[in-house]
Amino acid sequence: DAGVIQSPRHEVTEMGQEVTLRCKLISGHNSLFWYRQTMMRGLELLIYFNNNVPIDDSGMPEDRFSAKMPNASFSTLKIQPSEPRDSAVYFCASSNRQGSSDEQYFGPGTRLTVT
Amino acid sequence: GDSVTQMEGPVTLSEEACLTINCTYTATGYPSLFWYVQYPGEGLQLLLKATKADDKGSNKGFEATYRKETTSFHLEKGSVQVSDSAVYFCALYTGANSKLTFGKGITLSVRP
Repeated sequence: DAGVIQSPRHEVTEMGQEVTLRCKLISGHNSLFWYRQTMMRGLELLIYFNNNVPIDDSGMPEDRFSAKMPNASFSTLKIQPSEPRDSAVYFCASSNRQGSSDEQYFGPGTRLTVT
Repeated sequence: GDSVTQMEGPVTLSEEACLTINCTYTATGYPSLFWYVQYPGEGLQLLLKATKADDKGSNKGFEATYRKETTSFHLEKGSVQVSDSAVYFCALYTGANSKLTFGKGITLSVRP
């Protein structure tokens, strides 16, 4: 299996532009997590889905951020309009929930720079 | 709520030194415990895990024992290598429709 796939790997955009980050889950996994990582705030969970349904979006910073799962294997995280403080590395992770354990598989991340 | 507390970093060691990274947790129920590692420029990856009290997780020479009485899951390695330089995250999971709760992470640098 190719693992979790994220695109693009790097994105540089100007303030006010729309940014869309993409994530493909590992085949057979049914949970999807979006994280943001910065030096100042560390690793933050933004939102997670279970069986395509958003379970907890309390980490989404504000209405400029939205996430969707149009199908069981794919997700997007959209920022509109983007701001310089959104600059960070965004990770998605997937898991196959079963029993009492939850191993998450992380993608390589998208490094976003908003100028 | 659930929480994970890791010792403050960064940590710098010489090659072949012993490593201990402390992790304590607060959780409802009986969590599973994890250590994730993030190498430079990469995403996090699972290093080891333990699902019940007194279990010991191990991988790549690293070990951690699930201590329910002290609510701890300290990461240890007897002899670190330069290739172990990374950020280490302790995490817990408490059940269905739940999420992994991560600690803040600690950066380990190993000098040749």
